[in-house]
Amino acid sequence: DQQVKQNSPSLSVQEGRISILNCDYTNSMFDYFLWYKKYPAEGPTFLISISSIKDKNEDGRFTVFLNKSAKHLSLHIVPSQPGDSAVYFCAASANSGGSNYKLTFGKGTLLTVNP
Amino acid sequence: SQTIHQWPATLVQPVGSPLSLECTVEGTSNPNLYWYRQAAGRGLQLLFYSVGIGQISSEVPQNLSASRPQDRQFILSSKKLLLSDSGFYLCAWSGVNYGYTFGSGTRLTVV
Repeated sequence: DQQVKQNSPSLSVQEGRISILNCDYTNSMFDYFLWYKKYPAEGPTFLISISSIKDKNEDGRFTVFLNKSAKHLSLHIVPSQPGDSAVYFCAASANSGGSNYKLTFGKGTLLTVNP
Repeated sequence: SQTIHQWPATLVQPVGSPLSLECTVEGTSNPNLYWYRQAAGRGLQLLFYSVGIGQISSEVPQNLSASRPQDRQFILSSKKLLLSDSGFYLCAWSGVNYGYTFGSGTRLTVV
């Protein structure tokens, strides 16, 4: 039973265009969402996050949108750059404010940005 | 600043051999520690997490075990490896703020 779903295993975009990575979740208790970026043979690195009390969070070229009613979030990268090519993981937490929380990850989406 | 160290980076082990992967965190105290595995074509699966010395929670039944002998040390072990234990193992820690910091990972190949 996968609680965090990234239904697109891969995405290919042209440099300079927008990349949109999608994520759906099923657990209504999730209240914090994060995106991680992972290069081959490296650990994931934190990219951006959003609390369930917000519907948008922006950091430079990266924006995360949250639609709670649809249990859907998306990561927008504008403009996309070749260095953005990596696997992107969506993650969710159901323990807001707690000292012991676990992240549930999706399977990841491989983004390829073509020059 | 906080850092997390994980070793070895790569490991090739025969079926039936033991395993010990170590993870240490510096620059923080009483972190939550986690072991994740990324198997081929799959996402990140939480294996174990620990909120303190000697406190281990297992998320999935498996051939692996974990221990936390010191506050900032987390060890993943197996007495006899299986082929299905192959994968990319990641240690992570979390503090008072949200988000994990991951180690660089260990690529384990069981042959």
